[in-house]
Amino acid sequence: EIVMTQSPATLSVSPGERATLSCRASQSVGSHVAWYQQKLGQAPRLLIYGASTRATGIPARFSGSGSGTEFTLTISSLQSEDYAVYYCQQYNNWPPYTFGQGTKLDVK
Amino acid sequence: EVQLLESGGGLAQPGGSLRLSCVVSGFTFRRYAMTWVRQAPGKGLEWVSGIDTSGGGRHYVDSVKGRFTISRDNSKSTLYLEMSNLSADDTAVYYCAKVWGSSVADPSDLWGQGTLVTVSS
Repeated sequence: EIVMTQSPATLSVSPGERATLSCRASQSVGSHVAWYQQKLGQAPRLLIYGASTRATGIPARFSGSGSGTEFTLTISSLQSEDYAVYYCQQYNNWPPYTFGQGTKLDVK
Repeated sequence: EVQLLESGGGLAQPGGSLRLSCVVSGFTFRRYAMTWVRQAPGKGLEWVSGIDTSGGGRHYVDSVKGRFTISRDNSKSTLYLEMSNLSADDTAVYYCAKVWGSSVADPSDLWGQGTLVTVSS
């Protein structure tokens, strides 16, 4: 089973600034990584798939990069609605698909 | 409007059973693989099970193999998760999610609101 490790666990960033979230896979997953956003009490929302492709309706301030074992989600200019928990997921070696433990993005 | 509506959660005794349902609308259910993902209270996401468009391909995380069964009824646009021999470790919100393609091996682009399963005596 592939382990996805996200860092940091919590990231404090001021509105308007850039946020960079990291995700590392225990072995290569190619570009088969997705990122999800989850707000308190809500279901997850798909942001990025294929490591760098934005899902339908996702604003351009969200971008993904990486391949192999190292991946990054960048939010270029934080808006108030972006404060949430973010999860990466690999879908290269399955079952099972595996998620990272999440990064909580909060207001600095 | 696209909707995924889960039901069937609730309180179950250890060793007991529950059947979750997910009724979908707003897209052609039979064209997409589907999954169940759970989230224990205060914890992260865990993929539980996935099923292909025909229902012939079913996959599970090891911790539920032999206890959970995923199925679908394309005529009713409904996804199911039969859960048996439940333990406290199965306590979680269970989300039904649409896969964005026909293969189970793809991310989930639409999610239901979740149904809470609590296993306790």
